[in-house]
Amino acid sequence: DSGVTQTPKHLITATGQRVTLRCSPRSGDLSVYWYQQSLDQGLQFLIQYYNGEERAKGNILERFSAQQFPDLHSELNLSSLELGDSALYFCASSVAQGGGYGYTFGSGTRLTVV
Amino acid sequence: GENVEQHPSTLSVQEGDSAVIKCTYSDSASNYFPWYKQELGKRPQLIIDIRSNVGEKKDQRIAVTLNKTAKHFSLHITETQPEDSAVYFCAARSNAGGTSYGKLTFGQGTILTVHP
Repeated sequence: DSGVTQTPKHLITATGQRVTLRCSPRSGDLSVYWYQQSLDQGLQFLIQYYNGEERAKGNILERFSAQQFPDLHSELNLSSLELGDSALYFCASSVAQGGGYGYTFGSGTRLTVV
Repeated sequence: GENVEQHPSTLSVQEGDSAVIKCTYSDSASNYFPWYKQELGKRPQLIIDIRSNVGEKKDQRIAVTLNKTAKHFSLHITETQPEDSAVYFCAARSNAGGTSYGKLTFGQGTILTVHP
């Protein structure tokens, strides 16, 4: 167990629907990062939060949004889902927002859009 | 923003041989370079990292080297074993302010297969 908790582990939904992925960071970590990993693809950065504030944005679609709550857990909302959104979504956390600190990844949520 | 290129995309070796994976980065402000191993269907796990004030770091059979001038870093695995088979990702983190805020930019990954 890495200490980063992601729920649900698997999600199957239909096109056009909306889903919410949840992430609880490791105890003491203030930064949360969301990444998308499609089949045969690398890790694409979506968005970063630090202590409740959005800090960096990557190639995140307008249909996707995220937030970090006062208890530091984060949610990634995906709406108007398309087949191409099927992917593994990882959340990672780190203690700080910069410097030489590595990430700890959660186990991911596998989203299948049918 | 930062761009990280990783080569090769696939690497096949015999058990006991060495494996080398190379990455280049574009942002000279990057100062932290981790390597992650991802087994099929699992989360990426940090296996080794190096900071910009160090040229080389070793941990048992794995080592990482960094050439800041060339903006190039490499992962070396010696005496490979079948359980080393996985996808390996390099990454770079810029400590510059502005929009980076310390996020990691990952390379495209290398599929390493170690044949018994």
